Amino acid sequence: DAGITQSPRHKVTETGTPVTLRCHQTENHRYMYWYRQDPGHGLRLIHYSYGVKDTDKGEVSDGYSVSRSKTEDFLLTLESATSSQTSVYFCAISRGVENTEAFFGQGTRLTVV
Amino acid sequence: SQQGEEDPQALSIQEGENATMNCSYKTSINNLQWYRQNSGRGLVHLILIRSNEREKHSGRLRVTLDTSKKSSSLLITASRAADTASYFCATSRYNTDKLIFGTGTRLQVFP
Repeated sequence: DAGITQSPRHKVTETGTPVTLRCHQTENHRYMYWYRQDPGHGLRLIHYSYGVKDTDKGEVSDGYSVSRSKTEDFLLTLESATSSQTSVYFCAISRGVENTEAFFGQGTRLTVV
Repeated sequence: SQQGEEDPQALSIQEGENATMNCSYKTSINNLQWYRQNSGRGLVHLILIRSNEREKHSGRLRVTLDTSKKSSSLLITASRAADTASYFCATSRYNTDKLIFGTGTRLQVFP
């Protein structure tokens, strides 16, 4: 398995609280991605990073922010969690999806009550 | 909206039969990739086909790509119960670093 770790694996939080999910890689891949997975929607891209301090929005970025201060870590923050953000969140890494595949973490199940 | 749409949404077959899943997309691509997801787990890459390729094989997997129709198909031959999973297509959109997924096909293979 690619060296990619998500933490926490499970979290329950209250509406209105901030939440940060962490993705850590040991592969030194340039690209990192955050997706959310919901029934009937497949995986939807939230944000991605193409280098340290370089990030861009995906399809469903509203309510989320990201940061990448070093190659190995990509943080996803929900500034004020809402029930609609209850989902399973996946991090992925890649050397470059133009030419090669992405490797996925095991996911974080987030419940906002 | 999703870059890739897949059909069928769900497919049930017997062991030994072939399973075919289809994916359609909307814009120009660098490549199209197929992934598999077992229940509750992360996604695992199966195969990548580039925009200038028409067909690719990997073991029991056969992928085709028709860029004129903006569609791809994944064929799993001689299916096994262990092939039970969800399958997703994903497109690397031309001139971007994004990997956009479809909604997936749930495959159930009965012993």
